[in-house]
Amino acid sequence: AQSVTQLDSHVSVSEGTPVLLRCNYSSSYSPSLFWYVQHPNKGLQLLLKYTSAATLVKGINGFEAEFKKSETSFHLTKPSAHMSDAAEYFCVVSDGDDYKLSFGAGTTVTVRA
Amino acid sequence: NAGVTQTPKFRILKIGQSMTLQCTQDMNHNYMYWYRQDPGMGLKLIYYSVGAGITDKGEVPNGYNVSRSTTEDFPLRLELAAPSQTSVYFCASGPGSSGANVLTFGAGSRLTVL
Repeated sequence: AQSVTQLDSHVSVSEGTPVLLRCNYSSSYSPSLFWYVQHPNKGLQLLLKYTSAATLVKGINGFEAEFKKSETSFHLTKPSAHMSDAAEYFCVVSDGDDYKLSFGAGTTVTVRA
Repeated sequence: NAGVTQTPKFRILKIGQSMTLQCTQDMNHNYMYWYRQDPGMGLKLIYYSVGAGITDKGEVPNGYNVSRSTTEDFPLRLELAAPSQTSVYFCASGPGSSGANVLTFGAGSRLTVL
């Protein structure tokens, strides 16, 4: 069975400082991993995905994530936060042939001016 | 290119009423999903479909029904609304193929049951 734990329910950063959102996963197979972002009153949008290629994955809007199998982690980072990054972020895992995705509980990001 | 379209965006129901949330996608995706989102709980899968005529239960199917008569449409039916079904509902679609199964989400339907 697959599962995801997002280690922080809320992260607050100042504009221009780095952002780190932590995600640990559990999977019986070689997983596919995703980060989605949800802006207020909107649907979810894909930020980036890992599918067993390069372990450092670059996404949209300057975000990137590193897959670390030994630590079962897939943390999301951005070097410099922007006000428009204020949103909720979801880490998602999918096992091998399982087309159903498991979502983490989400991390809310607040950006201070 | 509309993507995934959900209607209605908002709805208030009384206990025991029935309603259908509509979902349509124009990307010719085989896979379609219904999720509900409750505060601090992430998204929970209600039902999913891997193609027209094929549906299956997700994590929280009780109180809901679905059908998939066409590739484009995947309506979610609530037969006897209960306060526990107050939530935000998201429809999503994807091309399948496991790791390449990037989902496209609708904008959501906020349902309140009083």
